[in-house]
Amino acid sequence: DQQVKQNSPSLSVQEGRISILNCDYTNSMFDYFLWYKKYPAEGPTFLISISSIKDKNEDGRFTVFLNKSAKHLSLHIVPSQPGDSAVYFCAASAIGTNTGFQKLVFGTGTRLLVSP
Amino acid sequence: DAGVTQSPTHLIKTRGQQVTLRCSPKSGHDTVSWYQQALGQGPQFIFQYYEEEERQRGNFPDRFSGHQFPNYSSELNVNALLLGDSALYLCASSFPQGIYGYTFGSGTRLTVV
Repeated sequence: DQQVKQNSPSLSVQEGRISILNCDYTNSMFDYFLWYKKYPAEGPTFLISISSIKDKNEDGRFTVFLNKSAKHLSLHIVPSQPGDSAVYFCAASAIGTNTGFQKLVFGTGTRLLVSP
Repeated sequence: DAGVTQSPTHLIKTRGQQVTLRCSPKSGHDTVSWYQQALGQGPQFIFQYYEEEERQRGNFPDRFSGHQFPNYSSELNVNALLLGDSALYLCASSFPQGIYGYTFGSGTRLTVV
């Protein structure tokens, strides 16, 4: 049961343009969402997050949008740079369950290639 | 400030063997989580350790076990290795309430032949 889905395995974008990476989830208990970037031979690196009480969070070139009714979130990168080329993972967690513990449920990733 | 350190970086084992992977958390973190990332998949939660106890476990068989030491470092043990255990094993450390400070190591690439 894939609770977090990234339906686009890959995305190619030209430098300077916008990159939009999409993520869908099925578990309505999820209330915190994160994006991670992963380069080969490295562990995932935290990029940006959003709580379910918000619909947008921005950090520099990166913006995450959350549509709770559609159970959909997206990551916008503007402008895209060649150094952004990596695999991007969407992850979700259920913080509000108050178990004192949270695990991350990951999607399968989208490989972004930004060409000069 | 050292981040999360994992060893070894690569490992090749034969089916049926046992393997131990090691993780040292980021300075100041006392909680360690282990994830398995199979080829083409996202990381899957195995279990989390806090105060030397397994706090929660994902959908993995008992062949997967772990340990946390008083210095917060952790080991992941896998017995009776199967070909399907071939994957990148990621360790993440955090504070007890967990995911905000989640920091991943570079992983151990395990190949079972």
